[in-house]
Amino acid sequence: DVKVTQSSRYLVKRTGEKVFLECVQDMDHENMFWYRQDPGLGLRLIYFSYDVKMKEKGDIPEGYSVSREKKERFSLILESASTNQTSMYLCASSLPRLESAQYFGPGTRLLVL
Amino acid sequence: SQQGEEDPQALSIQEGENATMNCSYKTSINNLQWYRQNSGRGLVHLILIRSNEREKHSGRLRVTLDTSKKSSSLLITASRAADTASYFCATSGTYKYIFGTGTRLKVLA
Repeated sequence: DVKVTQSSRYLVKRTGEKVFLECVQDMDHENMFWYRQDPGLGLRLIYFSYDVKMKEKGDIPEGYSVSREKKERFSLILESASTNQTSMYLCASSLPRLESAQYFGPGTRLLVL
Repeated sequence: SQQGEEDPQALSIQEGENATMNCSYKTSINNLQWYRQNSGRGLVHLILIRSNEREKHSGRLRVTLDTSKKSSSLLITASRAADTASYFCATSGTYKYIFGTGTRLKVLA
């Protein structure tokens, strides 16, 4: 059974803190993605990676960075958390083909105070 | 930028009725996918339709695609309470998917 796991379901951080969100997939997928989901805005792509150590900016990369040192793991980093980064963060993985389904993790609901 | 826009934003129906959701998009696509999201959870892939296909079925799901109108519809037949969820379309162009804002479906028992 395919699986994408995220390190935390809920997270509360303070403004200015450095925040790490981790995502692990067990399907040997080349592609991995980080999205944020906000009411009325749907899912917006932050970053994606198509291979180890490779990354591409999505639609809203400002204030975020990513790391992919191993194929199965893709980390999202909030360098200095701000209240406008309070959101639901979703990780996904897929095969590199355009017709591939994306497999999502359960999400991390982050609250920045 | 958002490419897929679902319509309606919210839909409430009785168990056993059919539910239809629509998705419109702006540019050329390779394929279009539909996903379901149960409250507070990740998304689950439902069905994919390629740009050269017009209709596709999977169980109680029927998806149509009209590339001339840049629109797709998802029909769920004989709905059940367990179908209560948000439904998103996602379009694929080059290297990434673009998700719409979703339709919230509530099926009343």
